[in-house]
Amino acid sequence: EVQLVESGGGLVQPGRSLRLSCTTSGFTFGDSAMSWFRQAPGKGLEWIGFIRNQVYGGTTEYAASVKGRFTMSRDNSKGIAYLEMNSLKIEDTAVYYCSDVSPWRYWGQGTLVTVSS
Amino acid sequence: DIVMTQTPLSSPVTLGQPASISCRSSQSLVHSDGNTYLSWFQQRPGQPPRLLIYKISTRFSGVPDRFSGSGAGTDFTLKISRVEAEDVGVYYCAQATQFPYTFGPGTKLEIK
Repeated sequence: EVQLVESGGGLVQPGRSLRLSCTTSGFTFGDSAMSWFRQAPGKGLEWIGFIRNQVYGGTTEYAASVKGRFTMSRDNSKGIAYLEMNSLKIEDTAVYYCSDVSPWRYWGQGTLVTVSS
Repeated sequence: DIVMTQTPLSSPVTLGQPASISCRSSQSLVHSDGNTYLSWFQQRPGQPPRLLIYKISTRFSGVPDRFSGSGAGTDFTLKISRVEAEDVGVYYCAQATQFPYTFGPGTKLEIK
């Protein structure tokens, strides 16, 4: 059974940093790109980026809203994807989801990040 | 960026009756590889999104056959042949043809 579990969310002040993890099992993590999304309270879904698999060098793509502030990485030996979030803004408040490669068959339950002073 | 629009934004439906959601993209979603990366997701309250349909019309594993997708180019449709109570939620179309990948605003399906 494929499982993805996000962790690391919480309350953080504007301008600070937070690192989210997406721990996976049940599939060959190293072969899969990993995607990140977010959903602000009461709002729709936003793709924020993905990290390619090792064959493609683990390169990344980001949405403009997070480019330069967020960094995705992965540990293929552990099956974990990371989302490092810096210079957080109030508008980054959302539930953050990880998923696999498009068409995004598998999703975690999400982790809530609240940016507030 | 490709803008995705959906109509209607809210759809009250009677149990057992059909429902249809339209999704339109601001540009063609045909990729240079010939595929059209248009997907549909269902999100029930308090749950993560669930993939229903990908590449316009391919049902994901375990998705009931009352869900179907159609369309081409810039116009796409999700149809539910007979709505059941468990279908309540918000439905999103999404494109993964061109960066940045984008979602429609969502259509809330509710029971009359």
